[in-house]
Amino acid sequence: QKEVEQDPGPLSVPEGAIVSLNCTYSNSAFQYFMWYRQYSRKGPELLMYTYSSGNKEDGRFTAQVDKSSKYISLFIRDSQPSDSATYLCAMSPTSNTGKLIFGQGTTLQVKP
Amino acid sequence: NAGVTQTPKFQVLKTGQSMTLQCAQDMNHNSMYWYRQDPGMGLRLIYYSASEGTTDKGEVPNGYNVSRLNKREFSLRLESAAPSQTSVYFCASSDDNEKLFFGSGTQLSVL
Repeated sequence: QKEVEQDPGPLSVPEGAIVSLNCTYSNSAFQYFMWYRQYSRKGPELLMYTYSSGNKEDGRFTAQVDKSSKYISLFIRDSQPSDSATYLCAMSPTSNTGKLIFGQGTTLQVKP
Repeated sequence: NAGVTQTPKFQVLKTGQSMTLQCAQDMNHNSMYWYRQDPGMGLRLIYYSASEGTTDKGEVPNGYNVSRLNKREFSLRLESAAPSQTSVYFCASSDDNEKLFFGSGTQLSVL
């Protein structure tokens, strides 16, 4: 069983929809949680960064961490065609290492 | 604003051939990483370098070697390529936190 599980999709939604992307994990030592966005044929770029449990909001994006359930989510409000990409969750037990464990990514398509 | 630059972008090798993937960053970051990305597997860490002069194995180091030439450059070498090394390779750098800056990748096929 992988340490981090993520449904690969693809997930197709109409423009303006609320999107929910999720990851589950098995290692209770994970403390740092991230979401990266990857456009086709590009490298991933960091979207959201959270430490421990709780919510973090940045514009149309909200990251949520529930450590008791070992479950993290990324919500996208008012989704746009430009949000079409692969979204990768990543996590780490300690900070300042860059040795992240990534989920396999969920491919999202937002249709105009 | 180059960020992280990887060369080459594409490469086809025959089994047993060797090659070096180059990576350079212009952000003065201490840490640099090599990941591979395979369908259904996500990104997996091959090697990393926490600072100039140091390197350490990641999750999948077998069949690879690395060199941290200086603070800017971190190369990945395949001594004898195998079909299992067909993948997309990403170099990344960071300022000692979880915010990794990735290059645009090298698509490698080993026949």
